[in-house]
Amino acid sequence: NAGVTQTPKFQVLKTGQSMTLQCAQDMNHNSMYWYRQDPGMGLRLIYYSASEGTTDKGEVPNGYNVSRLNKREFSLRLESAAPSQTSVYFCASSATGDAGEQYFGPGTRLTVT
Amino acid sequence: GIQVEQSPPDLILQEGANSTLRCNFSDSVNNLQWFHQNPWGQLINLFYIPSGTKQNGRLSATTVATERYSLLYISSSQTTDSGVYFCAVLYNTDKLIFGTGTRLQVFP
Repeated sequence: NAGVTQTPKFQVLKTGQSMTLQCAQDMNHNSMYWYRQDPGMGLRLIYYSASEGTTDKGEVPNGYNVSRLNKREFSLRLESAAPSQTSVYFCASSATGDAGEQYFGPGTRLTVT
Repeated sequence: GIQVEQSPPDLILQEGANSTLRCNFSDSVNNLQWFHQNPWGQLINLFYIPSGTKQNGRLSATTVATERYSLLYISSSQTTDSGVYFCAVLYNTDKLIFGTGTRLQVFP
């Protein structure tokens, strides 16, 4: 039981390049989330998916798109990376969105130059 | 929106000391979690505590939802306790809002 896994662990992009961050969970959770953490700050919600086939914007969605591929997988895409998107990205999942405990992946450290 | 404030922002302890970290929130919440982010950046779930008191080894937490605060107690601190401690509140169904954290350094 690996919990929440993320790939890649590290990535460097040039401004304007695109990439997709992958996330998978093996806990049969319904809800999945993408957060970003900037230096010295707490995490902020980018997008979430309460169930397979649904996605909703969080606090900081601009510049990102998401896909809930199936119940296990939730990807985050940067279409045209900007230096302001340099951050650590965390994926999380919970059994149910409403009052469900969230479990986090190890994070992806992204640098945009 | 809801405000989540943690205090103190920084804490330096010698091994063996006890400490109390506080989390205040400005509105009613559905739930509250405490996390430890270790020096490698990994987020570790400590407590899922909407109300009441829970204990896990040297750590315990108390949430008083009616007064909108939660406390995390660390007893007999160890160097491995170093890192950043976050509280996060579940607000508006499933939006987890994080506080700014308490950075703890424990020296031998």
